[in-house]
Amino acid sequence: SQQGEEDPQALSIQEGENATMNCSYKTSINNLQWYRQNSGRGLVHLILIRSNEREKHSGRLRVTLDTSKKSSSLLITASRAADTASYFCATTRSSYNFNKFYFGSGTKLNVKP
Amino acid sequence: EAGVAQSPRYKIIEKRQSVAFWCNPISGHATLYWYQQILGQGPKLLIQFQNNGVVDDSQLPKDRFSAERLKGVDSTLKIQPAKLEDSAVYLCASSSMRGGRLNEQFFGPGTRLTVL
Repeated sequence: SQQGEEDPQALSIQEGENATMNCSYKTSINNLQWYRQNSGRGLVHLILIRSNEREKHSGRLRVTLDTSKKSSSLLITASRAADTASYFCATTRSSYNFNKFYFGSGTKLNVKP
Repeated sequence: EAGVAQSPRYKIIEKRQSVAFWCNPISGHATLYWYQQILGQGPKLLIQFQNNGVVDDSQLPKDRFSAERLKGVDSTLKIQPAKLEDSAVYLCASSSMRGGRLNEQFFGPGTRLTVL
């Protein structure tokens, strides 16, 4: 499977702490994206990092990408109870003349107030 | 900008019945995706359209699932006949292209299907 695999599967932290989630994948990619899904809702795009980038920031989010290790990490700083959700990484790679997306199984984050 | 619309939000059917889901993507988005998300798992791509043509349906169970995107805008996904294992949330997403690159996907709220 080319799917990204997130680690850990579940993470429980106190409000104000940092949360780190990891994603590993198997094949070469064009870019990697992180999405958030609140319970019972659709996915919301958080950040995209291209294969030639190593780090990207967006507000309290920091994403790193190590293509040599085929891994990425998502750091949420100063977490809030509202950050409680499932987080998925999605890898994109070219196949013939279109891009294919692969989602991992997600990390379930619980931020306790 | 209106988001991706899906209907219905919930559907309960008995096995061997048929069901159809509808999706209206964001205006101007050429690429449309249907995903199946089983509880506790990540989304699994069923089919990807570029305008009204299929570019990837490798994971679509074609003996029972079908999808179409007439006129390159909205799309329907059908299951006929449904099995118990089809119980899942069916997500529709759309994305645009810029500079030859696919951008992020925008997801609809999903349709939760329960097959009894």
